[in-house]
Amino acid sequence: SYVLTQPPSVSVAPGQTATIACGGNNIESKSVHWYQKKPGQAPVLVVYDDSDRPSGIPERFSGSNSGNTATLTISRVEAGDEADYYCHVWDTYSDLPVVFGGGTKLTVL
Amino acid sequence: QVQLVESGGGLVKPGGSLRLSCAASGFTFSEYYMSWIRQAPGKGLEWISYISSTGSYRSYADSVKGRFTISRDNAKNSVYLQMNSLGAEDTAVYYCATSDYGGNAGGFDYWGQGTLVTVSS
Repeated sequence: SYVLTQPPSVSVAPGQTATIACGGNNIESKSVHWYQKKPGQAPVLVVYDDSDRPSGIPERFSGSNSGNTATLTISRVEAGDEADYYCHVWDTYSDLPVVFGGGTKLTVL
Repeated sequence: QVQLVESGGGLVKPGGSLRLSCAASGFTFSEYYMSWIRQAPGKGLEWISYISSTGSYRSYADSVKGRFTISRDNAKNSVYLQMNSLGAEDTAVYYCATSDYGGNAGGFDYWGQGTLVTVSS
């Protein structure tokens, strides 16, 4: 089954840019979706189809996908962005059709 | 607006059973695939099952295959997860979710608030 690999943690100072990677074999051939997960809350979709933002998500959140790595970028990081972030792809015809990365804890210093 | 409300979680003994429900509103439920996704304490998100819009196709993660059964009632705008032979490893918050794409694609735009299942003696 397809595997997505994320770094366990990323730290960034307020106002700086955070980048969270999501690695997968030829991931550029798939559409990657990103979620923000805060304790006690349901996940929130922040980027879909590699680089699109749902309505209501700040422009500070952006995504890209190339080669074997997809990336979530959060510009001008705020304290409220501290959360776990998960990437997700569909591997529709496999034995595991919905794949999540292991998650990355974003710490705002 | 779209709303998903899970219910049915609780404390169950190892080997026991539980049935989760997810009531949907605000969209044409019968046109959407529905998924169940869980998060164990201190762990990441784990997809466990989805069901097609008509209920004719279902898929399961290996971790629950043969123990869990997903079903839906489009007349009641609800999706269910029957969980049997529960073990400690099934302790988690369970979410139902769906995508604006409707089918088995796209990001999960909509999530319920989650229902906690605790398996313990």
